[in-house]
Amino acid sequence: DADVTQTPRNRITKTGKRIMLECSQTKGHDRMYWYRQDPGLGLRLIYYSFDVKDINKGEISDGYSVSRQAQAKFSLSLESAIPNQTALYFCATRDRDAGELFFGEGSRLTVL
Amino acid sequence: KNQVEQSPQSLIILEGKNCTLQCNYTVSPFSNLRWYKQDTGRGPVSLTIMTFSENTKSNGRYTATLDADTKQSSLHITASQLSDSASYICVVSAAGTNAGKSTFGDGTTLTVKP
Repeated sequence: DADVTQTPRNRITKTGKRIMLECSQTKGHDRMYWYRQDPGLGLRLIYYSFDVKDINKGEISDGYSVSRQAQAKFSLSLESAIPNQTALYFCATRDRDAGELFFGEGSRLTVL
Repeated sequence: KNQVEQSPQSLIILEGKNCTLQCNYTVSPFSNLRWYKQDTGRGPVSLTIMTFSENTKSNGRYTATLDADTKQSSLHITASQLSDSASYICVVSAAGTNAGKSTFGDGTTLTVKP
């Protein structure tokens, strides 16, 4: 089993729908991250969390929200999806500042 | 503003040939620099980590170099294989008050052709 698991792996939805992407990890890391990747662009940080109930905005948090109810789980929500949120989303974990990031396999979201 | 710039944006080489990817950064204060390999449709995986005191580090056919004075790093791939086709991402992490903040380059897409 993967250390960082994302669900769903693929999702097609319509504009205005609420979407939740889930991430769970078995590495025991405190730090968890959500990134967005668009074709030809680098990974951009949406939100990150250093502990349960700790939430921090990244560089592109508008239109997104997150929840960290348990150390192993970090979920990303789009309250009202729009087409320009079509992208590949990655969850990642690390055990310390500047440590290696361990990524999930990605969740491909298409908003029509 | 902390930035990481990678070049070239894309590269096509023949199987068996060598290639070098470049990464320039302005992240300060510097903690470490990592190269990640991202296969199509998969999550990035770390290849190497370079800290301030390290000049060269190898991982099989991958060799990373770091010049902390000029803030440049390179990733050299020797005797390329078809499986090396991927995106290579340079990630620089900050120290001090910015500890934990990582800045990503846009990646270099490498295609190895038979």
